[in-house]
Amino acid sequence: AQTVTQSQPEMSVQEAETVTLSCTYDTSENNYYLFWYKQPPSRQMILVIRQEAYKQQNATENRFSVNFQKAAKSFSLKISDSQLGDTAMYFCAFKGGGSEKLVFGKGTKLTVNP
Amino acid sequence: DGGITQSPKYLFRKEGQNVTLSCEQNLNHDAMYWYRQDPGQGLRLIYYSQIVNDFQKGDIAEGYSVSREKKESFPLTVTSAQKNPTAFYLCASSQLGPVNTEAFFGQGTRLTVV
Repeated sequence: AQTVTQSQPEMSVQEAETVTLSCTYDTSENNYYLFWYKQPPSRQMILVIRQEAYKQQNATENRFSVNFQKAAKSFSLKISDSQLGDTAMYFCAFKGGGSEKLVFGKGTKLTVNP
Repeated sequence: DGGITQSPKYLFRKEGQNVTLSCEQNLNHDAMYWYRQDPGQGLRLIYYSQIVNDFQKGDIAEGYSVSREKKESFPLTVTSAQKNPTAFYLCASSQLGPVNTEAFFGQGTRLTVV
């Protein structure tokens, strides 16, 4: 069974600085997808970034980038130039290429301080 | 506007009663999901469905039931067998792989047992 582990329950960062959130996963599949979702206080889930396992190049979306290490089964999220609006819960998620089962980690609560 | 709608936003249930949470999507997605969110537990998968009239148990299916009679709808029933039903429930949908596989979420239903 696939599992997703986020080892940092809470993190904080100063505004304009960079922070990295960790995520590891366990799977026997070779083809899969990885995601980072943001959940602000409104509780609406918002996709931040995604990565296809077959792509070697790390995904980037403006201030958000990932460090995807397939052999190590690691998928960390880097947020550059942190903004107050980045304060939220961040969830790492895994989706198998064949089963469509979407599994989430327990989340990291990120606080950006002014 | 295309999207995924959950109703109601807040729901109160007396102990021993069954209650049904609604989830409707007009995104033409094949896959639909139900998650339960508790503090410190992340999103735990209850049930998911890849096609009409078919669904699979997730990690915490006991005390819950679902149906998928229409592509657009995936209602979740919380039965009296669920011992601790008070939680925030999220519904999601996605296309089947391999592209555009990210999940889109509803705004959630907060269920409270009184």
